[in-house]
Amino acid sequence: EAGVVQSPRYKIIEKKQPVAFWCNPISGHNTLYWYRQNLGQGPELLIRYENEEAVDDSQLPKDRFSAERLKGVDSTLKIQPAELGDSAVYLCASSLEGSSTGNTEAFFGQGTRLTVV
Amino acid sequence: EDQVTQSPEALRLQEGESSSLNCSYTVSGLRGLFWYRQDPGKGPEFLFTLYSAGEEKEKERLKATLTKKESFLHITAPKPEDSATYLCAVQNRDDKIIFGKGTRLHILP
Repeated sequence: EAGVVQSPRYKIIEKKQPVAFWCNPISGHNTLYWYRQNLGQGPELLIRYENEEAVDDSQLPKDRFSAERLKGVDSTLKIQPAELGDSAVYLCASSLEGSSTGNTEAFFGQGTRLTVV
Repeated sequence: EDQVTQSPEALRLQEGESSSLNCSYTVSGLRGLFWYRQDPGKGPEFLFTLYSAGEEKEKERLKATLTKKESFLHITAPKPEDSATYLCAVQNRDDKIIFGKGTRLHILP
């Protein structure tokens, strides 16, 4: 079974430019997460989707960040315009909520390392 | 506020030297506590889920335990390939997952 797929793996952009990240979750997983991880820190949640609905976007800086999950499968995360402080690894994860087993663990992709110069 | 604190921040052990990593948490309605392993340049890799106090799970040289306030990840006779950052996370009653900062483990051959 394929895991969570993210692209690109690396991205270098100049400040004030836009950037977008793409995520394809594990087939059948209805919950999708975007996290940001700074060096030496744990992942911090940006947004969580259940199917197409963003159920928790309280940590998403809405002035410059946006996300969408059309058809409840793939998702994109966009930053416009990017700032120097946005340099980090952006991780996508998915989980199967509401399963009969009760398992709710999230599985992560490899991440996109963003460098803003 | 839900919070996860991991200690120590970093740990260096000789190969075969057993030890434990700590994860202390405060959470509104624990739905689950997760342990992940993260290698440099990669996403976190799922290890265990614990749901209630007293629960234990094992995988190879790793054993995770849970109380009402903390979880331990015990590493028995570690090998150099166990070197990684180990992340602890909790899921609260609103299904939000909160991570700790991790423990960087280095096993010396």
